Amino acid sequence: EVHLAQSGGGLVQSGGSLRLSCVASGFTFSNSWMAWVRQIPGKGLEFVTNINEDGSRNSYVDSVKGRFTISRDNGKNSLYLQMNNLRAEDTAVYYCARDPGYAAYDVWGQGTMVGISS
Amino acid sequence: VVLTQSPLSLPVTLGQPASISCSSSQSLVHSDGNTHLHWFQQRPGQSPRRLIYKVSNRDSGVPDRFSGSGSDTDFTLIITRVEAEDIGVYYCLQGANWPTFGQGTKVEI
Repeated sequence: EVHLAQSGGGLVQSGGSLRLSCVASGFTFSNSWMAWVRQIPGKGLEFVTNINEDGSRNSYVDSVKGRFTISRDNGKNSLYLQMNNLRAEDTAVYYCARDPGYAAYDVWGQGTMVGISS
Repeated sequence: VVLTQSPLSLPVTLGQPASISCSSSQSLVHSDGNTHLHWFQQRPGQSPRRLIYKVSNRDSGVPDRFSGSGSDTDFTLIITRVEAEDIGVYYCLQGANWPTFGQGTKVEI
């Protein structure tokens, strides 16, 4: 069964750091683009960042550039999101997702909550 | 690219049809010839789930009461007969450019 299992997240103070993880199973992770999408509580969805199959290419939404870093370890079938200098506006549920191309996210993790307190 | 969904709230009657519109601020026809507009369902307390990709292709396991149509800048998701399990929020998403989602349409009884 195709599955993405997320971990990490929690409540941190403004300016703090968190690392999210996403472990894939049931498909060839090393052949897949991956992405992080977030959802502010009670609001809509926003693309945050993505990464290509070997980790050599990525892109970020402007609001997180210079603060968030996406990475992957294909040997561990794992995707990561390192979030530094967190701000109140980063409070959201973060989802990892497989991107088969052109943002057609076909597999989603269960989501993990990130809360930032001032 | 801005995607505008309407309505934002859709009261439905079980067994009756429902329709959601998604309008794009620019054409979603990619240079590869495909139109990268997708539809997702998010049930309460769950992760989003893809229903339709590239305008009209229904995902495996998605009931055939769901269908997608449209072209260029205007797209529609139709549920032919709403069932109780269809309650949730529906989003369109374009991947022809920088990925952007519509605001979401809440389908409720």
